[in-house]
Parts: sequence; C-alpha cells; structure tokens
Amino acid sequence: GAGVSQSPSNKVTEKGKDVELRCDPISGHTALYWYRQSLGQGLEFLIYFQGNSAPDKSGLPSDRFSAERTGGSVSTLTIQRTQQEDSAVYLCASSLRPARVSTGELFFGEGSRLTVL
Amino acid sequence: AQKITQTQPGMFVQEKEAVTLDCTYDTSDQSYGLFWYKQPSSGEMIFLIYQGSYDEQNATEGRYSLNFQKARKSANLVISASQLGDSAMYFCAMRKTGFQKLVFGTGTRLLVSP
Repeated sequence: GAGVSQSPSNKVTEKGKDVELRCDPISGHTALYWYRQSLGQGLEFLIYFQGNSAPDKSGLPSDRFSAERTGGSVSTLTIQRTQQEDSAVYLCASSLRPARVSTGELFFGEGSRLTVL
Repeated sequence: AQKITQTQPGMFVQEKEAVTLDCTYDTSDQSYGLFWYKQPSSGEMIFLIYQGSYDEQNATEGRYSLNFQKARKSANLVISASQLGDSAMYFCAMRKTGFQKLVFGTGTRLLVSP
C-alpha cells in the first residue's frame, strides 16, 4: 500500500499474555518510529530505527517492551507479560531518511489499539 | 528536558472563521523545531506545519500559520477560514536539533460547526 500499515488494528488480550504489533513502513523509508498514545494523552516516544538498528530506544518503558526491524522494512513491537497500564494506541511512523530538524515529514499509520483486560 | 503545554482541551469555531490553538514549550536548547500535527478520527497523525527556532519569519502552509514568539516560548497554530473537515485533535510537538524524538503536548480537540 501507499501508506504506513499497522496490524492488528485492534487487539484485546488478557493480563500476562504476550502481544506482537506489526508495522509495515512506506517502501524505501529508512527511518521508523514507534509511539504510544494513552487515552487523553499526547504521543509518547518509544523507539527509533535507522535501517535495522535502533540508535534510540530510550522511550521503552520497561524491559517487557522490545522491538526489532528486519530487512530494513517491517518492524515488530513485542510486549511481554502485558499489564493493564499497557493499554493504549501504538502508532508507527516512517520517514524517507532520519528526520532533520528542518522537516516534519513523518508519515504515521492508523495505529494498533491494545486493550489489556 | 523538553515539555509542551496545550492548555485548551477543546475549542469550538464556526465554519469560515479563524481559530487559534495555543502551544507553549519549555526547553533549554537553543536549536529545535516546532511542529503541529492533526489527528482525525481515523487515528493517523498528519503533519501540518513546521517552525525552526532560528527562523525569523512565521511559517505558513495554506490556511495554517504558526505564530512563533520565541521570547514567550509560544508556537500557536492559526487556522484561517475553518472548514468542517478541520474538526480533529491537534497536537503541538517539538524536537531538539540532531535528535529524532518528538515530544508532544496533550492536544486540543477542535470542533467546527456549520
């Protein structure tokens, strides 16, 4: 597709289960970002990939959160032993190259809504 | 640390009127960028406008303009001639030069009425 694709769009899970969220960036985009949006809040940065490496993962809230990117394309965000506070919309974005301060050209997907019961 | 404050949880405006969405920021950095994003009900974030900290002129993009007052650390978004399709959440964000992380405010919900 033309845009950033995320799956699943909705995920309901039980506390303690592991979940995987997938992001398929725009073809050719080298930079990929994960953000989290809790109810009524702004977006919270989680991790940034350049190619397959993650130079900045400072936003991952705990070691239950991990992410990988393979082939410079698809990325998976994994949350282990989910907790109720993990409930949020997880947004993925990509850009053609690392976003310079002079551009704001991040292209976002529609997000994966995670609900932990 | 960087912080963005949006004090208006909701704003109402009539179609064809102008509206200003407030944004103040806090940073000790000298070089940074300020951004506004629109989030319609579909959930995706749409980039609207950018202002660099060293830009002397206010940024404009079509009906969007950014009222940048550096000394007051404010970066208000002005939407002229509002349209029904402008109804959405609007987020102000900033990024320190050389870094990839965007810091977002909590957003303002804009409702445009006929």
